[in-house]
Amino acid sequence: SQQGEEDPQALSIQEGENATMNCSYKTSINNLQWYRQNSGRGLVHLILIRSNEREKHSGRLRVTLDTSKKSSSLLITASRAADTASYFCATDGIIQGAQKLVFGQGTRLTINP
Amino acid sequence: DVKVTQSSRYLVKRTGEKVFLECVQDMDHENMFWYRQDPGLGLRLIYFSYDVKMKEKGDIPEGYSVSREKKERFSLILESASTNQTSMYLCASSLNGRGSDQPQHFGDGTRLSIL
Repeated sequence: SQQGEEDPQALSIQEGENATMNCSYKTSINNLQWYRQNSGRGLVHLILIRSNEREKHSGRLRVTLDTSKKSSSLLITASRAADTASYFCATDGIIQGAQKLVFGQGTRLTINP
Repeated sequence: DVKVTQSSRYLVKRTGEKVFLECVQDMDHENMFWYRQDPGLGLRLIYFSYDVKMKEKGDIPEGYSVSREKKERFSLILESASTNQTSMYLCASSLNGRGSDQPQHFGDGTRLSIL
C-alpha cells in the first residue's frame, strides 16, 4: 500500500546550502504531509498541504505540490546542522478499506558543518 | 503540545514470550496508531483505533493484537514473540475523524529485540 516515494534516498550538503527533497505518489490524493525524524526518535509533523494548494511555507521550509505530476518537494533553505534527519512524505491511501496515512521510505539528509 | 509517551525506549524479550508495548497520549485525541519501522521498508501500519474499545487492522496485523480500554492508552500486544518482530515500534495519535487530513503526533519509539 506504499504511496509516496522520496528521492533522493540520501543527501549530503554543506551547512548554509539549500536542501531539496522530492516525493512522488501514484494515485490521487486529498492532502500530503511532510515529517522529520531525528535519529532514534519519533516523527515530527512539519507541514500539511492540501490538493488544492500549490505551495506552503513554514519558517525555512517550503513545500510545493504538483498534482498533475503527482509530486511534491520539500525545500529547506539555509540549512543548519540541526536539520540533519530523515524526512518522510505521507499521503492518504486506503488500508483495509479505510483512508489512512501512507508513508514513504524517507530521505536521509546530512548537513556537514 | 501533544505528548505521546511510550513506556520503554529499549526492550529485549525472548522468542515465544507475550510482549506488551504501552502508549499514552495526553491531549484527548480520539485516534491512535501503532507502526513498525524497518530499514528499507519504511513505516508500516499495524493497528489503529478511532475510539475506546475500537480497533482496526492495518497493513500487517498478523502476530499482533491491541487493546484500548481507555481513551488515552493504546497497547500493542505480541501474542508469541518471534525474531521477525524485532523492530522499532512507533505509536502515534491524531485529533479525530476518519480521514487522513490531520497531523499525527508520534512517541519516541520502542526498539524491541526478540532473541
